Amino acid sequence: QQQVKQSPQSLIVQKGGISIINCAYENTAFDYFPWYQQFPGKGPALLIAIRPDVSEKKEGRFTISFNKSAKQFSLHIMDSQPGDSATYFCAASMLNSGAGSYQLTFGKGTKLSVIP
Amino acid sequence: EPEVTQTPSHQVTQMGQEVILRCVPISNHLYFYWYRQILGQKVEFLVSFYNNEISEKSEIFDDQFSVERPDGSNFTLKIRSTKLEDSAMYFCASSGLVIYEQYFGPGTRLTVT
Repeated sequence: QQQVKQSPQSLIVQKGGISIINCAYENTAFDYFPWYQQFPGKGPALLIAIRPDVSEKKEGRFTISFNKSAKQFSLHIMDSQPGDSATYFCAASMLNSGAGSYQLTFGKGTKLSVIP
Repeated sequence: EPEVTQTPSHQVTQMGQEVILRCVPISNHLYFYWYRQILGQKVEFLVSFYNNEISEKSEIFDDQFSVERPDGSNFTLKIRSTKLEDSAMYFCASSGLVIYEQYFGPGTRLTVT
């Protein structure tokens, strides 16, 4: 029930196209859904995140769509660029109020390649 | 822009040896985390730390692991007796007043031979 399922495993998109990565979760107690971008040899970098009280959040070319009833959320990258080529991880978290901790549960990642 | 730093970037050790991985979280952050990523797999939570004690730990974080904040800036992960399966990237993360926004360091690649 703690799992976050991410698809696809890999994605090839042409420059200028739209990249779409999907995630699904089961635990309805999750209340924070971030996306992380990871370049080879680097740590995950927080890209964009959403709370379940909104259905969409947009930051520049990156948009999260959130469907609470379906327990799904997705990352859309508009006008994809070769510099966007990286591994993208979705994650989910809930506050452990007793511990004051927000443990992140990650998806398995999507390797995005944007070709010129 | 403040960032989480980790040292060393790569550590090679023999099975059974002790290793200490070091992290300097962002200076005004209060919550600290360790995660690991086995090559090609997802990032997994190990432990969270707040107010000088462990808040939460996963099943992976057994008695061979310990964490410490020895001074006001460093946060360490110790593996007492390394095993081959401990080979992974270890990431430190921290968060501040916006507790759920975690910022990750560049990682330490641990290779156990």
